[in-house]
Amino acid sequence: HSALPQPASVSGSPGQSIAISCTGTSSDVGGYSYVSWYQQHPGRAPKLLIYDVTHRPSGVSSRFSGSKSGNTASLTISGLQAEDEAYYYCSSYTSSSTLVFGGGTKLTVL
Amino acid sequence: QVQLEESGGGLVKPGGSLRLSCAASGFTFSDYYMSWIRQAPGKGLEWISYISSSGSTILYADSVKGRFTVSRDNAKSSLFLQMNSLSAEDTAVYYCARADGYSSAHFDFWGQGTLVTVSS
Repeated sequence: HSALPQPASVSGSPGQSIAISCTGTSSDVGGYSYVSWYQQHPGRAPKLLIYDVTHRPSGVSSRFSGSKSGNTASLTISGLQAEDEAYYYCSSYTSSSTLVFGGGTKLTVL
Repeated sequence: QVQLEESGGGLVKPGGSLRLSCAASGFTFSDYYMSWIRQAPGKGLEWISYISSSGSTILYADSVKGRFTVSRDNAKSSLFLQMNSLSAEDTAVYYCARADGYSSAHFDFWGQGTLVTVSS
């Protein structure tokens, strides 16, 4: 399983909403409800934002939401804030019982 | 609180070996699958291995299969990664992470990582 394609970069202004896509196949994203999203600030460990496609861990802002349609999962961030500027990675369970991450997306808050 | 602390990283020559450790605290280690995930400099995340709570099930990414061995000591709440036949492509920050959920397919806690540099 190669890295799941994600846009290399997205940008938005404070207060706006953005979406980041994560495209897989029926052997990973499309075949299971086990898609997760992580936020990583430079020099820091990743932080879990979304799991099982749509679920938010306690303590994660409701501005972060996840969805999936077919083989493509999406992370939506509403009400963009300066501190949202970071890298975002999706991951999915696969038919080989392994896990695969997306290539990562850099979010710039203008 | 849950804490994961990796150690054992450093500079190693191509073809060499290194053993990483991850000390866990703040939760019942023996209840959870654990994983190793790495990130090459300036690159994305790469899942490389996971081990079931009892250690009976272990899976590896193709990129490390046959060279890396994951193990755990539940009595000492510790996770290990033995890395052999290292090459420059293995240069990365290595994170240990706790796997959670029905499928153990997401990682709710991560260590701060340990840097492995493979260079002559």
